[in-house]
Amino acid sequence: GAGVSQSPRYKVAKRGQDVALRCDPISGHVSLFWYQQALGQGPEFLTYFQNEAQLDKSGLPSDRFFAERPEGSVSTLKIQRTQQEDSAVYLCASSFVSTGELFFGEGSRLTVL
Amino acid sequence: QQPVQSPQAVILREGEDAVINCSSSKALYSVHWYRQKHGEAPVFLMILLKGGEQKGHEKISASFNEKKQQSSLYLTASQLSYSGTYFCGTEKETSGSRLTFGEGTQLTVNP
Repeated sequence: GAGVSQSPRYKVAKRGQDVALRCDPISGHVSLFWYQQALGQGPEFLTYFQNEAQLDKSGLPSDRFFAERPEGSVSTLKIQRTQQEDSAVYLCASSFVSTGELFFGEGSRLTVL
Repeated sequence: QQPVQSPQAVILREGEDAVINCSSSKALYSVHWYRQKHGEAPVFLMILLKGGEQKGHEKISASFNEKKQQSSLYLTASQLSYSGTYFCGTEKETSGSRLTFGEGTQLTVNP
């Protein structure tokens, strides 16, 4: 596709449910990042992949958060046993090189009730 | 540590200039600037690298003072399309590829 695609765009979950958010990066982009953006705040780093290798997961807030990119393209961010504080927009970004321009998707807005 | 942006918000009339500042307490390798419109994805504006190299593709300029760990984004002759929230993202030499974003500066350009 022409840009970074994320799905679902909107997700409402009941507290305690598991959710999976998908990111389809720009074809050929080696680097993939997940960020969490709370309302009125800047994006906050969660994790970073180079191809299929997860090189940095220091931003994941708890062990309920898990990300994978098994074939070096599509990535999934999974949140287990969701809590209200998980409500945010989850942004995926990809880039051709690790320190280059980031191309962001429109995000997945998660609301936990 | 999150960089500090100033001002938090600015309102301009079309054609006016603005400066947005970003400062960090840590030694930086690069500073990135992005603009985000409400409900949309952040869009890349500029990268400033340690050593002075600047990469961008819009008619917007920026500076990076390595000694002070500060960057400024200069918007001249603002257009209505410049409205949005501007974020600086900083990359430390030891942080790998992760960017730490500021809280943003909300820019509104009125006719």
